[in-house]
Amino acid sequence: QQQVKQSPQSLIVQKGGISIINCAYENTAFDYFPWYQQFPGKGPALLIAIRPDVSEKKEGRFTISFNKSAKQFSLHIMDSQPGDSATYFCAASRGQGAQKLVFGQGTRLTINP
Amino acid sequence: DTAVSQTPKYLVTQMGNDKSIKCEQNLGHDTMYWYKQDSKKFLKIMFSYNNKELIINETVPNRFSPKSPDKAHLNLHINSLELGDSAVYFCASSLGQGSLEQFFGPGTRLTVL
Repeated sequence: QQQVKQSPQSLIVQKGGISIINCAYENTAFDYFPWYQQFPGKGPALLIAIRPDVSEKKEGRFTISFNKSAKQFSLHIMDSQPGDSATYFCAASRGQGAQKLVFGQGTRLTINP
Repeated sequence: DTAVSQTPKYLVTQMGNDKSIKCEQNLGHDTMYWYKQDSKKFLKIMFSYNNKELIINETVPNRFSPKSPDKAHLNLHINSLELGDSAVYFCASSLGQGSLEQFFGPGTRLTVL
């Protein structure tokens, strides 16, 4: 079963716009929620992550919003740039012990110049 | 100075063959992982080793056998390859089994004909 559902599957945003990708999870035992960025031909790389004790985390142009009661979290990319064009994966895991990351299906983001 | 490296980058083989993918990390990490990314880019964990000891073993056919000769290496051997094994296989590592950030290698694209 898909424990982490991600949407949309693909997203096109104009340069300078805001990109928003959403994820929903089912397992309430999850307490670590990272976002990974993957460029073509490369492995995923950690972009930003959040724990459920905060509702928002911001790093530069990237912000995670977290809604524990709704079991949802989202990635916002402000002032989107062509270099942000990549596939983005949300994930979730239990923050302790062996880290079994459960990934969403991925969102292919294209920023048009 | 590559952190997590995999060989080969591409692997094309016939059904029924046996093949191996090698992974090495020079980060001094204790924990290593194998992930499979299918044609729809869905990423799923297969195995994890901590200090050469298997700690995560997902529901993977026993044709797949990981081997960790030391904590810097985690190889994946696949017997009797099937068409459905075609995918990109990613190796990753983390500081320890409880460490949250995982560092991914560049991937090995396996094509079974």
